[in-house]
Amino acid sequence: EPEVTQTPSHQVTQMGQEVILRCVPISNHLYFYWYRQILGQKVEFLVSFYNNEISEKSEIFDDQFSVERPDGSNFTLKIRSTKLEDSAMYFCAILDKEQFFGPGTRLTVL
Amino acid sequence: DAKTTQPNSMESNEEEPVHLPCNHSTISGTDYIHWYRQLPSQGPEYVIHGLTSNVNNRMASLAIAEDRKSSTLILHRATLRDAAVYYCILLFGNEKLTFGTGTRLTIIP
Repeated sequence: EPEVTQTPSHQVTQMGQEVILRCVPISNHLYFYWYRQILGQKVEFLVSFYNNEISEKSEIFDDQFSVERPDGSNFTLKIRSTKLEDSAMYFCAILDKEQFFGPGTRLTVL
Repeated sequence: DAKTTQPNSMESNEEEPVHLPCNHSTISGTDYIHWYRQLPSQGPEYVIHGLTSNVNNRMASLAIAEDRKSSTLILHRATLRDAAVYYCILLFGNEKLTFGTGTRLTIIP
């Protein structure tokens, strides 16, 4: 089973600040996903990324969000100007026959 | 997205089998039936998937109705570590996972 790590495990930021969440799959994979889960709510799809391009994004994934794979290993989700409602758990997933999820980053926006 | 319907919650005694049902009456011929679970404070975890035939793996079994409009995830011997929210999701290929509210399984010691 592929291993996926995410950093940081918990990020606290002020509203309006930029945050970068990182996902590090141990093996090389081409297909990545970001999901988020607001406390007490469903897991929601944000974006999928294949071969260094966004393949699909949800309506949540607006201009404040971006993804990239800067060094061929890390896979990052950037939120340019955080809002209170961005507070959530953010999960990265990779595709290796099935989707395998990381442990998540808890983002708290104050 | 094809929808699934699951009970909100279920309880089971430890070391007994658990049958988690899922209805998916609008399933299309190419949809695979996937099950994921989410343990407390963790990310979702793949459990099992199937298309038409029943499937077994080290975690669970999946029983699929002949008309494919329903399926049942079977945990043969529940442990306390199986307490989680279980999601039944229809999926084709590399599509995104669309999570519903799932079934919250409580295991009674």
